[in-house]
Amino acid sequence: GAVVSQHPSWVICKSGTSVKIECRSLDFQATTMFWYRQFPKQSLMLMATSNEGSKATYEQGVEKDKFLINHASLTLSTLTVTSAHPEDSSFYICSARQLAGAGDEQFFGPGTRLTVL
Amino acid sequence: AQSVTQLDSQVPVFEEAPVELRCNYSSSVSVYLFWYVQYPNQGLQLLLKYLSGSTLVKGINGFEAEFNKSQTSFHLRKPSVHISDTAEYFCAVKNQAGTALIFGKGTTLSVSS
Repeated sequence: GAVVSQHPSWVICKSGTSVKIECRSLDFQATTMFWYRQFPKQSLMLMATSNEGSKATYEQGVEKDKFLINHASLTLSTLTVTSAHPEDSSFYICSARQLAGAGDEQFFGPGTRLTVL
Repeated sequence: AQSVTQLDSQVPVFEEAPVELRCNYSSSVSVYLFWYVQYPNQGLQLLLKYLSGSTLVKGINGFEAEFNKSQTSFHLRKPSVHISDTAEYFCAVKNQAGTALIFGKGTTLSVSS
C-alpha cells in the first residue's frame, strides 16, 4: 500500500533556531502534499497545500515566511519552521495525495512532534 | 464552505458493547467522506471512506459507516468494541472538485473492561 514517511519523528530545538521536517511518499508519486498541524487533544488544521514544482498555497492565518514549504520532487516535500518559538511546538503531519485508482485518497505520514524550548 | 461536526468529544464504553460515533457535515456540493483513527503519537490511519454507490460502507477493524444525504450524516459504528479500539477518531470531508480534507474536532473513544 501507499506509504508516507516523515523525518524526524520528533525534534527538540532552542527558541530562534530553524527546523526542517521531511515528508516522503515511498512507493508512489504525489503531485500534491498537504501539511497539517495538530495541537494536543485537537483536530488537524490544514496549514498549506504543496504542489510539485510550484509555490505552496497557505491557509488563512498561516505565515508563509515562517513555515517554508518546498516540494522539489514528486516524492518529497519539506516544511521548515524558521526562527521557531515555543508557541510553534506542535505535532506536524503531512499527507500525500495519490490520484490513480485510489479515489483521490490522501495517505498520512506518522507525524513529527516539535518541541521548542 | 464545508464543515464537519463531531457531536461527541468523548465516548466511554465497555468492552464488547456497541458504539456509534456521530458525524455531521455541511456542504453545498457533493462530497467524499472519511473516517480516520489516530493512536497516541501516531499519524492517521484510514478506517473507511464513502466516495459513491452503496451508502453503507465497511472498513477495517470491523467498523462501518452509513452515509445519509438527507441528514448530512456519516456516523461510524462498531457492533462490539475491543480495548484496542481506544483511540481518537476523526471524521473528514472533501469536496469532489477540491483536494484538501476538512476534519472534525475528533472523538475520543475509551474502551474499558
